[in-house]
Amino acid sequence: QLQLQESGPGLVKPSETLSLTCTVSGGSISRSDYYWGWIRQPPGKGLEWIGNIYYSGSTYYNPSLKSRVTISVDTSKNQFSLKVNSVTAADTAVYFCAKMHSSGAFDSWGQGTLVTVSS
Amino acid sequence: DIQMTQSPSTLSASVGDRVSITCRASQSISSWLAWYQQKPGKAPKLLIYKASTLESGVPSRFSGSESGTEFTLTISSLQPDDFATYYCQQYNSFPYTFGQGTKLEIK
Repeated sequence: QLQLQESGPGLVKPSETLSLTCTVSGGSISRSDYYWGWIRQPPGKGLEWIGNIYYSGSTYYNPSLKSRVTISVDTSKNQFSLKVNSVTAADTAVYFCAKMHSSGAFDSWGQGTLVTVSS
Repeated sequence: DIQMTQSPSTLSASVGDRVSITCRASQSISSWLAWYQQKPGKAPKLLIYKASTLESGVPSRFSGSESGTEFTLTISSLQPDDFATYYCQQYNSFPYTFGQGTKLEIK
């Protein structure tokens, strides 16, 4: 049973960098039929796709965040990571990591982690 | 970006009711649509992918259909565990986009 777990600081100051890691267990992050993604959800609001990464390092970002976002993968640790630069209060959200189904939908999710941007 | 418009935003229903939620795409997404269920404080759970394929382990009372750019999630007989928020998501093209959500409430 594949499991994903987000980790990282729950509080980030405005203008600083938000950094989160997703650790994958119960399966290899290097499987050729898997993509990995980050999705976020501001409190009380809907879901926003941030970006995807393939084990080879190929990335796809949401243009609304592209200039501030970096997603990377570390196959030796079975982890992938998210960095969001120059954060503001609008980046306060629950951040989920997820695995993309071979058909393209997200079929496995982490529990989510709340990141608050505040001084 | 492809806009996904879900309706209704809120739906009140009773146990045993048959309910439907609609999601309309602003342009063709073929059948690349998923439906998720989310309960408070939890991650979304995949119910249906490719518009009408039931994810493994999901009860058969959930079904999905499509007509052009309009997609429908139907729950044939509501159970107490089904009261939650439902989201559609297109994965035809980047950026992937979600509907705004439908909150299914107990009447």
